[in-house]
Amino acid sequence: DTAVSQTPKYLVTQMGNDKSIKCEQNLGHDTMYWYKQDSKKFLKIMFSYNNKELIINETVPNRFSPKSPDKAHLNLHINSLELGDSAVYFCASSRDLAYEQYFGPGTRLTVT
Amino acid sequence: GESVGLHLPTLSVQEGDNSIINCAYSNSASDYFIWYKQESGKGPQFIIDIRSNMDKRQGQRVTVLLNKTVKHLSLQIAATQPGDSAVYFCAENPPGNQFYFGTGTSLTVIP
Repeated sequence: DTAVSQTPKYLVTQMGNDKSIKCEQNLGHDTMYWYKQDSKKFLKIMFSYNNKELIINETVPNRFSPKSPDKAHLNLHINSLELGDSAVYFCASSRDLAYEQYFGPGTRLTVT
Repeated sequence: GESVGLHLPTLSVQEGDNSIINCAYSNSASDYFIWYKQESGKGPQFIIDIRSNMDKRQGQRVTVLLNKTVKHLSLQIAATQPGDSAVYFCAENPPGNQFYFGTGTSLTVIP
């Protein structure tokens, strides 16, 4: 069983489009995250939810909107996609903020 | 913003040699540290952790050393194998806060 899963794995789209990435964890964790990893492998946290509540909201354009319908899911919706949004997006989960994180396989987003 | 100006440190080692990957952390209050390994096309995976009340912790072929005086963490990999080729991240956790990831180091093992 995959602990943290993301769909889709690859996403190619044009500038200006709106897209969503879905994430699910079956570990029973309370905390979920979205990270953005650029071409230099720099891993930047974007958002974190604890029990469906937003607890971390880093400086991210408001075109990015996370949604947590329940504890096991954290989706990322991106409006008006820009070239600079091209990156690999990772979902992760943990028991709490101070515990190790389990990462999904990543979604490679390419904006053309 | 983006990691403009930052370069991913790289390390190349011969198969069978020992590897040492270094990390400088920023917050002297951090009391928990984790090393992650990210293989190509995959998400980061937990390797080993250490709390601030220890200065050394050993796992299977890996050892983490913590020097709180100079805020330095290192990961030693013994008898490095081709499967160890990956990007390695250190992450620090200040009390009551989230984990903060370092910039990563790319390890290439030469057969």
